[in-house]
Amino acid sequence: SQQGEEDPQALSIQEGENATMNCSYKTSINNLQWYRQNSGRGLVHLILIRSNEREKHSGRLRVTLDTSKKSSSLLITASRAADTASYFCATDVRNRDDKIIFGKGTRLHILP
Amino acid sequence: EAGVVQSPRYKIIEKKQPVAFWCNPISGHNTLYWYRQNLGQGPELLIRYENEEAVDDSQLPKDRFSAERLKGVDSTLKIQPAELGDSAVYLCASSLEGLAGQETQYFGPGTRLLVL
Repeated sequence: SQQGEEDPQALSIQEGENATMNCSYKTSINNLQWYRQNSGRGLVHLILIRSNEREKHSGRLRVTLDTSKKSSSLLITASRAADTASYFCATDVRNRDDKIIFGKGTRLHILP
Repeated sequence: EAGVVQSPRYKIIEKKQPVAFWCNPISGHNTLYWYRQNLGQGPELLIRYENEEAVDDSQLPKDRFSAERLKGVDSTLKIQPAELGDSAVYLCASSLEGLAGQETQYFGPGTRLLVL
């Protein structure tokens, strides 16, 4: 079963607006990562946030982590057409196996 | 620096035929992953190697899937015989594992398999 679950499953916004995606997970983690996947391509790492961090920025990206609620959010500000992609959260589960598990993703479509 | 290389990019085979995928990770990355991604889903881990040792193959269907990473560098994933349900994108990724657990993974472009 998948550990992370993104919400919403799909999101369409106008270019220039902000896009927010959420990820909820079930068990304790070492870190949480967000990846982007353009159609027909491999995944590209966006940002990693550790369990002792609450917020992280990278360019137009802002990631928050709330370990008490077992949730994370990814905010993309001033969206561009090139941001159209699927976005996945991946959790590094804190157990003997240190398994990393991907969610099903949020499909983001930026409208011109 | 070259990224993760996978070949072939596309493969179409008939069911019951064998198929193999090849991956060359980023130089120096000790951890290599094979994932399967079905349409509209996230990647699901099939097997993870640390150097030449398979440390997590719990999700690998061992009756028909096999993998190897003999010298701890490149890796091959094989399916024999293929079934219709194996149609998916097979992704390879590599990482340099840090002390805090799984670090950033770098993905190849994937091999898109269609079983007819």
